[in-house]
Amino acid sequence: GDSVTQMEGPVTLSEEAFLTINCTYTATGYPSLFWYVQYPGEGLQLLLKATKADDKGSNKGFEATYRKETTSFHLEKGSVQVSDSAVYFCALSDRGGGNKLTFGTGTQLKVEL
Amino acid sequence: DAGVIQSPRHEVTEMGQEVTLRCKPISGHNSLFWYRQTMMRGLELLIYFNNNVPIDDSGMPEDRFSAKMPNASFSTLKIQPSEPRDSAVYFCASSLEGGSYEQYFGPGTRLTVT
Repeated sequence: GDSVTQMEGPVTLSEEAFLTINCTYTATGYPSLFWYVQYPGEGLQLLLKATKADDKGSNKGFEATYRKETTSFHLEKGSVQVSDSAVYFCALSDRGGGNKLTFGTGTQLKVEL
Repeated sequence: DAGVIQSPRHEVTEMGQEVTLRCKPISGHNSLFWYRQTMMRGLELLIYFNNNVPIDDSGMPEDRFSAKMPNASFSTLKIQPSEPRDSAVYFCASSLEGGSYEQYFGPGTRLTVT
């Protein structure tokens, strides 16, 4: 079945550091890929998405590129802020599976001054 | 435009009591999802509906859990009887099938069963 694997957290960084959160996937067909973010006490929010190979999703300084050859969708940000502290979820939606999303386990990011 | 609305936001109940969680999806969305989130198990999909019809309920933990969607603008998740291990945050999400597949999450209901 479909699956998403994320790097274990928590990830602790200093403000203005470079961020990478790794995400790899296994799926049949041609999935769309997503990054969701969950701030403390809130629901998940869509951060960015990519729908086909080589697409780059971007939002709020975050980027991720759909790499079909390595089945990866790593999340990056050049300079993190304290306000980026949250849990980040990688997810995929297989077009053959309706609107169902398969989520990774989430990676907690802590950014310190 | 209002997002997904869930009520109540917090629920504290005693073991054995019936609990009903409510969700109003975004207007025009035709898919609705119920998730449960705990520290131990992470985010779990319990059930999802397309056009008010349950499509996949394989994530519902046991017969104590039931979900209904009587119309396009309302869904309930019921636990009867509740147990302490049901304590979790329950999220509802909606999406538009045939669109870009992204789901929009509500703020969640934090359930505590004592």
